[in-house]
Order: sequence, then C-alpha cells, then structure tokens
Amino acid sequence: ELKVEQNPLFLSMQEGKNYTIYCNYSTTSDRLYWYRQDPGKSLESLFVLLSNGAVKQEGRLMASLDTKARLSTLHITAAVHDLSATYFCAVPNAGNNRKLIWGLGTSLAVNP
Amino acid sequence: EAGVVQSPRYKIIEKKQPVAFWCNPISGHNTLYWYRQNLGQGPELLIRYENEEAVDDSQLPKDRFSAERLKGVDSTLKIQPAELGDSAVYLCASSLDHLIGSGNTIYFGEGSWLTVV
Repeated sequence: ELKVEQNPLFLSMQEGKNYTIYCNYSTTSDRLYWYRQDPGKSLESLFVLLSNGAVKQEGRLMASLDTKARLSTLHITAAVHDLSATYFCAVPNAGNNRKLIWGLGTSLAVNP
Repeated sequence: EAGVVQSPRYKIIEKKQPVAFWCNPISGHNTLYWYRQNLGQGPELLIRYENEEAVDDSQLPKDRFSAERLKGVDSTLKIQPAELGDSAVYLCASSLDHLIGSGNTIYFGEGSWLTVV
C-alpha cells in the first residue's frame, strides 16, 4: 500500500530565508504532484513532476523528483509572507485506478 | 474561465439530518471527483466519475452517502443521515480525464464546509 510522508509538518521561517520541504513515498511511482492550500481556500496546483530528475520552478519555489529515492523536494528561496500556506504532495498509486495518495501537508508560516 | 463551483460553501446541521452538496466542474472536464478533507489532513477520495459513470467509489460510505452525476456534468453528494464524524470539508474537483499518467492536473473547488452538531 502506497504511503506518502511529508516533513516537516509545521515550519516557521523568517522572510528572506531558504528552506526545503520533503516528500517521501513508499512504492514505485513515476510522477508526483505539489499543491498549495491557503486557509479556507481551494487546493491550487503548483507542479506536476512527470519523470525522474524532473525539476520545475515557479517564482521562489522549485520542485524536484528523484523516483529512485522515492523523494521529492520543494525548495523555497528567499521566503516572503505570501508563501504562507499549507503545501501538499500527492502520488498516484499503481494499478488501474491511479488514485492520488496525499501527504498530510506542510503548514508553512513565513514571518517578517 | 470559471473554475470548479461548489455550493453551499458552509452548512451547519444537526446530526441525523440530511445534507446535499452540489458541484459544477470546469467545462469540458470528463472526470469529476468528490474528496473529503478533515482538519490537518490531506484530501481523501470518496468517488470518481468518468462522465456519468462512477468508476471508483470504494471509499464512499454507502450506507449513508450517495452521489450522482446526471448527464455527466453537474454532480451532487448527499449524506443521510449525517453523523458528528461527517464534519469536514467536501471538495469537488475535475480534470480533463483520469489519464493521470499523462500528468493531467486536477482542479479543485473551494469546498463545502460541513459542521454536524
């Protein structure tokens, strides 16, 4: 059974600092998704990583995927307050239904 | 382009009462999902539709939950009777199709927040 683990679950950081959120998953998968959720809001798609070694960047966020290590990272560069949100990673399970299995989320607070 | 639209946004009901949620997916999206999200957790799939057919409802508590997607567009999710443990956010989402292997993105609505008292 596929399990997806994120760490840390809570992160408080200062503006201007760098940090990395990790997403580990337990069985083979060839792709991974990152979503952002603001309090009381919808889930917003950030990145879709489709192959081993994939790297995508959008503004201060950069995501990468290592399918051999079953690990994805979401790196935050020079954080700003607007990045405060909860970040989820999700991995499709094997088999025909390809259901997305979600991590618990990383709650990020960026402080002035 | 309009996103996934859900209503109501908030609902407070007493236990044992019925409740229904409505979803209008993004135009042209064949696949529709209903998820439940509890506080501090990731979304949990309840049911997935391909057009009007429910193709994955293994996580739907069928004794009290029901869903339909008539004509393969709008969908409703019903709970009857509601229990205290049903308090959660019910998220509707849609995608062009469920070929996750091609990287199709799933777009989420803002959710229907249910409180059962």
